Amino acid sequence: AQTVTQSQPEMSVQEAETVTLSCTYDTSESDYYLFWYKQPPSRQMILVIRQEAYKQQNATENRFSVNFQKAAKSFSLKISDSQLGDAAMYFCAYRAVRYSGTYKYIFGTGTRLKVLA
Amino acid sequence: GAVVSQHPSRVICKSGTSVKIECRSLDFQATTMFWYRQFPKQSLMLMATSNEGSKATYEQGVEKDKFLINHASLTLSTLTVTSAHPEDSSFYICSAPLSGGENIQYFGAGTRLSVL
Repeated sequence: AQTVTQSQPEMSVQEAETVTLSCTYDTSESDYYLFWYKQPPSRQMILVIRQEAYKQQNATENRFSVNFQKAAKSFSLKISDSQLGDAAMYFCAYRAVRYSGTYKYIFGTGTRLKVLA
Repeated sequence: GAVVSQHPSRVICKSGTSVKIECRSLDFQATTMFWYRQFPKQSLMLMATSNEGSKATYEQGVEKDKFLINHASLTLSTLTVTSAHPEDSSFYICSAPLSGGENIQYFGAGTRLSVL
């Protein structure tokens, strides 16, 4: 069974600095998707970034980038130039590529990010 | 991006009553929707997969008769918590994947259920 592990329950970063959130996963599948979602105090889940396993190039979305290491099954999120609005709970999620149907996500336990002014 | 509307955002009810939560995909059709439960400071736990026109698929340990799911149309899924008890108090979130390509899930804003 697939699992997703986030080993950092909480992280802090100074405003304008860079922080990296860790995520590891376990799967026997060769093709899959990985996601980082942000859940601010409003509890609305917001997609931050996504990565397709077959792509070697790391995904980037403005200040957010990932370090995807397929062999190590690692998928860390780097937030550059941290802003106060980045403070939230961050969840790493895995989804297998299932052409015949289900698109279930498996979520990690989350990392609470605090941004210090 | 795609929008998923969830209603109500908050509900308080007496023990023994039933509560219905609606999840709508506003600008796309969703043959599949997901229902999650989130306890305070914890991750999202998948409860069930809602399938349009057929029975929902429940995760292990989730009571089918307790959490009734109906996916009557391509844009609406409902979760009914029957005979709610205080232990059912939680945050419930729905999501719907946008078909094609990565099938990214878009989430509703969640419903906070408090059972007195």
